[in-house]
Amino acid sequence: EIVMTQSPATLSVSPGERATLSCRASHSISNNLAWYQQKPGQAPRLLIYGASTRATGIPATFSGSGSGTEFTLTISSLQSEDFAVYYCQQYNQWPRTFGQGTKLEIK
Amino acid sequence: QVQLVESGGGSVKPGGSLRLSCAASGFTFGDYYMSWIRQAPGKGLEWIAYMSHSGSTKYYADSVKGRFTISRDNAKNSLYLQMNSLRAEDTAVYFCARDGHKLVAGRDWFDPWGQGTLVTVSS
Repeated sequence: EIVMTQSPATLSVSPGERATLSCRASHSISNNLAWYQQKPGQAPRLLIYGASTRATGIPATFSGSGSGTEFTLTISSLQSEDFAVYYCQQYNQWPRTFGQGTKLEIK
Repeated sequence: QVQLVESGGGSVKPGGSLRLSCAASGFTFGDYYMSWIRQAPGKGLEWIAYMSHSGSTKYYADSVKGRFTISRDNAKNSLYLQMNSLRAEDTAVYFCARDGHKLVAGRDWFDPWGQGTLVTVSS
């Protein structure tokens, strides 16, 4: 099983600033990585697939990068609606696995 | 628009059974693979079951293998999860999610997700 490790667990950032979230895979997953955003009481929403391709309707303030085992989600100029929990997920092999999440909170 | 709506959650005693349903609309259901994913209270996401578009291929997480069964009815645009021998640790919100497409290799992310249905296993 591929273990996905996200860091940090909690990230405190001021509105308008940039946030950088990390995700590491225990084995190479090529670029078979997705990022999701989840707000309290809501279902996760797809942000990024293929490690760097924004999903439909996702603003350009969200960008993904990386391949192999190291991945990054960057949110430039944070808006109030961006404060949420973010999960990475690999779909390179079974079972599909998620990181434990990074909570992005307002500083 | 593309929509997934889960139902069937509720409270059940340990050892009991429950059947979840997921009604799909806004897309050609029979062209897509589907998955169930769950989230225990205050915890992260756990993928638990997958079914191919035709139903010929199924995968399960070890945590539910032998107890849960995924199925689908393409004529009814519906996905199901039969959960037997339920345990306290199965308490979670259960989401269905659209998975890959039968004609698009590598399109294996989850999008969209339903709103989820809560399953509580307690004596």
